[in-house]
Amino acid sequence: GENVEQHPSTLSVQEGDSAVIKCTYSDSASNYFPWYKQELGKGPQLIIDIRSNVGEKKDQRIAVTLNKTAKHFSLHITETQPEDSAVYFCAAWDTGRRALTFGSGTRLQVQP
Amino acid sequence: DAGITQSPRHKVTETGTPVTLRCHQTENHRYMYWYRQDPGHGLRLIHYSYGVKDTDKGEVSDGYSVSRSKTEDFLLTLESATSSQTSVYFCAIRGQENTGELFFGEGSRLTVL
Repeated sequence: GENVEQHPSTLSVQEGDSAVIKCTYSDSASNYFPWYKQELGKGPQLIIDIRSNVGEKKDQRIAVTLNKTAKHFSLHITETQPEDSAVYFCAAWDTGRRALTFGSGTRLQVQP
Repeated sequence: DAGITQSPRHKVTETGTPVTLRCHQTENHRYMYWYRQDPGHGLRLIHYSYGVKDTDKGEVSDGYSVSRSKTEDFLLTLESATSSQTSVYFCAIRGQENTGELFFGEGSRLTVL
């Protein structure tokens, strides 16, 4: 099955700086890579996703890049704000299980 | 709001007792999932369902069983709870079947003493 690794586990930045979270996956057949944001006491919420036929996708201050050859993808948040503080999860679609396999999460802290 | 309700939201129980968590959806989606969330492990798949009475195991299915007798409800049962099953449990539905986008409930926090 799919295996997803995520780094770093914690990330602290100053307000206005950029934040980058990186993930690698193992199954070359995976074709869908979402990112979720989880606030304290809530369920994870999708913030952006990318499919394997696309190399980059942007939505305002967030962007995701995908390198299929190297089997890694990254989340970029620019001009960070205190409300960006949360736990972020990357995931990859496991075509065998028809489910998402998640990374271990990154706790992002944006210092005002 | 993806129309997912989990119950109970919080439960404390003792080792060896049976526990059932319920996930209810209002949007008639075929796929439903149970994940558990533990520090340092992210979300790990326990079981999933692709239709009424159609279920399959995930990566951490030992000690858990599921049932889906109608489209809207997916039940997760711990036959004999252990302390290692203390966790936050999330139910999810798959929105559109041509994507892998999952929508999550608010979670059920289970503590096994």
